[in-house]
Amino acid sequence: DIQMTQSPSVLSASVGDRVTLNCKASQNINKYLNWYQQKLGEAPKLLIYNTNNLQTGIPSRFSGSGSGTDFTLTISSLQPEDFATYFCFQHNSWPLTFGSGTKLEIK
Amino acid sequence: EVQLVESGGGLVQPGRSLKLSCAASGFTFSNYGMHWIRQAPTKGLEWVASISPSGGSTYYRDSVKGRFTISRDNAKSTLYLQMDSLRSEDTATYYCATDRPTTGIHYWGQGVMVTVSS
Repeated sequence: DIQMTQSPSVLSASVGDRVTLNCKASQNINKYLNWYQQKLGEAPKLLIYNTNNLQTGIPSRFSGSGSGTDFTLTISSLQPEDFATYFCFQHNSWPLTFGSGTKLEIK
Repeated sequence: EVQLVESGGGLVQPGRSLKLSCAASGFTFSNYGMHWIRQAPTKGLEWVASISPSGGSTYYRDSVKGRFTISRDNAKSTLYLQMDSLRSEDTATYYCATDRPTTGIHYWGQGVMVTVSS
């Protein structure tokens, strides 16, 4: 199974900050890495698919990059509604696997 | 607007069965693969099972193989998860989600809680 490791597990930041969340795969997953945002009590929402493609309706302050095994999600200027948990996810091979999440909290 | 509404959850004793349903609307259900994903309380997300648009192909995580069965009724636009021989570690919120070949897991339902306890 491909293990997905996210870092940090918790990130404290302020409104307006630029933040970077990391995701590392235990083996090559090509470009097949997605990012989801989950707010407390809600279902996850797709932000970025296939490394760097912004899902329709997602603000342009979100961006993704990477390849192979190392990927990042960047939020260019944090907004109050961005404080949530972010999960990476690989759909390169079965079984599909998620990272354990990065909780983005207000500093 | 895509809508996915799960139902069928609840409290069940270990070893018993439960069947979840996911009613889909707002898109052509028969054109999309579908997934079940679960999330244990205060834990991360765990993929459970997937099914192709026709239902001809299914995939499961090892821990549920032989116990869970994913199926679909395209005429009713409904996805199912039959869960047998339930264990305490199956306790979680279960989400159904759509699949697109280009994006992977896409839209999610709101989830349904399953608690396995005596």
